Parts: sequence; C-alpha cells; structure tokens
Amino acid sequence: TQLLEQSPQFLSIQEGENLTVYCNSSSVFSSLQWYRQEPGEGPVLLVTVVTGGEVKKLKRLTFQFGDARKDSSLHITAAQPGDTGLYLCAAPNSGYALNFGKGTSLLVTP
Amino acid sequence: KAGVTQTPRYLIKTRGQQVTLSCSPISGHRSVSWYQQTPGQGLQFLFEYFSETQRNKGNFPGRFSGRQFSNSRSEMNVSTLELGDSALYLCASSLRLAGSEQYFGPGTRLTVT
Repeated sequence: TQLLEQSPQFLSIQEGENLTVYCNSSSVFSSLQWYRQEPGEGPVLLVTVVTGGEVKKLKRLTFQFGDARKDSSLHITAAQPGDTGLYLCAAPNSGYALNFGKGTSLLVTP
Repeated sequence: KAGVTQTPRYLIKTRGQQVTLSCSPISGHRSVSWYQQTPGQGLQFLFEYFSETQRNKGNFPGRFSGRQFSNSRSEMNVSTLELGDSALYLCASSLRLAGSEQYFGPGTRLTVT
C-alpha cells in the first residue's frame, strides 16, 4: 500500500494570502485525485491529474502533478473563507482501491 | 441528478451492540465503496462492491461486513462494537471500480459508548 504524505498538516491564514499544500509518495502514481471536505460533509472531488507535469486550474486553485508522478501540489491564490476545509489527496493502489493522505486542514479567516 | 445519500446521519450505540448503515449511490453508479474516517488515521478504505460482488477489501477485522443489492444500494454492518469503532463512515459511489473518481455521501457519524 503506497503511503501518501500531505504537508502541512494544519494551515491558518488570512483572507487574500496565497498558499501551497503538498502530497508526496515514494511510489509512482498512475493518477492522483484532490478532494475538499467541509465540516460535517463528505469529500468532494476537485480534480484528477494523470500525466506527469500536468497543470490544471480550477478558478483560484492550481493543481500540479510532478514530472515523475510521485508528488503533487495544490496552490490557492488569494484565499477566501470559503476555501476553508480539509484538502485530501488520493491515489489508486494496486488493488484498485483508493488510498488517501491524512489531509491538510486549512482555515482562512476574514 | 441526486447525490449519494446515507442513513442515518448520526448514531449512538453501546459497546457489544451491532449496527447497520445504509447507502444509496448516484443513479447509474454500480460501484459503492465504504470508508472509515477518524482524526488519527484519516480516511481508510473498508471495502468496495460492484454489481453485488465484493471486489476489494481493506485491512479491517471480520466484524466489518457489507453487501450490495441489485439496485446498487449498499449496507454496511459492524458487529460487536468497540469504542474504537467511533468514526465517520463514508460511502462513495463511482461509475467504475474504486480507483476511479469517487462521489461521497455526507457520512454517518457513529459514536460507541
């Protein structure tokens, strides 16, 4: 089972700041998914990256997949309170189940 | 299209009891997966059902079991509850097997006292 390590574990910033969170593994991913989970709700899929070096943008969120497909990052520009939540990365393992990282808990204060 | 629904949303049980949780996937989705989420361990995969067959199983004891019906609805059962079973149990559905993109329900918060 590949281990997905996310950093930082917690992040508290003010509205308008930029931030980057990371997802790393010693294994090569076939693909990687990013989810956001708000309190009291289930995770919601944000994006899937498949190709090494791939960059995807979702409004103020930019997702990057490492060239070697062992790492990924999520950059948020001008964070807003609505971005508050738990950001999870996930990748399929050899048994076709999804492995999740433990997540980065983001708090954006006005 | 309606999302994934889970019932009940909250549940309080006593050690030694058993519990059954229910999940209705998005219409047309044949894969249903279950996850346990705790602050210490994060999201952990329990098992996946596809077309009424268990296709994948995580590293959980046999007290955790599930099934899927012909309409793709799924149930998860935990017998002989332990305090450590207190968690948020999430159900997710997808068009293909569990390694693909998952659509999660809101979860069932289980508290074991």
